[in-house]
Amino acid sequence: KQEVTQIPAALSVPEGENLVLNCSFTDSAIYNLQWFRQDPGKGLTSLLLIQSSQREQTSGRLNASLDKSSGRSTLYIAASQPGDSATYLCAVLPISSGSARQLTFGSGTQLTVLP
Amino acid sequence: SQTIHQWPATLVQPVGSPLSLECTVEGTSNPNLYWYRQAAGRGLQLLFYSVGIGQISSEVPQNLSASRPQDRQFILSSKKLLLSDSGFYLCAWRVGVTGELFFGEGSRLTVL
Repeated sequence: KQEVTQIPAALSVPEGENLVLNCSFTDSAIYNLQWFRQDPGKGLTSLLLIQSSQREQTSGRLNASLDKSSGRSTLYIAASQPGDSATYLCAVLPISSGSARQLTFGSGTQLTVLP
Repeated sequence: SQTIHQWPATLVQPVGSPLSLECTVEGTSNPNLYWYRQAAGRGLQLLFYSVGIGQISSEVPQNLSASRPQDRQFILSSKKLLLSDSGFYLCAWRVGVTGELFFGEGSRLTVL
């Protein structure tokens, strides 16, 4: 059974710092990996989708990498801003997910960027 | 561009009352639609998914049901709410079965 782990559960950094959020998964048989952002009381916003054949994706100050063989992904945030404060979730789409194509989510990293 | 709408955003209901949450997607055709529940400290749980009109699959036996009366409309219902139905309900969609998943803004349900 696929398991997704995100460490640390919470992270606090000063504004302007570059930071890395980590995601690990136990089964490398995946279609893709997706990073989301969730603000308090809000839905999930998709940040980046990495297909299993890709190594990384970039969007603005965000860069996500994928290493399937080691079961790891990182989300790099450059020049962090207070507006980046949110919970970041990663999710994998396992090939074994059946007809539902259900994502397996990590428990998230709560990021606080201090002004 | 595609957008997804959920309503109501917030709902407070007594135990035993009915429930109807609606979700619509605009700007795409034949999306795969999903209902998730996010309970505090328990992560995201897939409740129902639908690959087409009238086609509903349930992932978790519960007090809830779902319907898809139109291509881009997904409804979550209950005839009699339980306290344990409280939570944050999220509708999501994707094109195809392995594409990017997009979520709505969510509906906060409190059952008293």
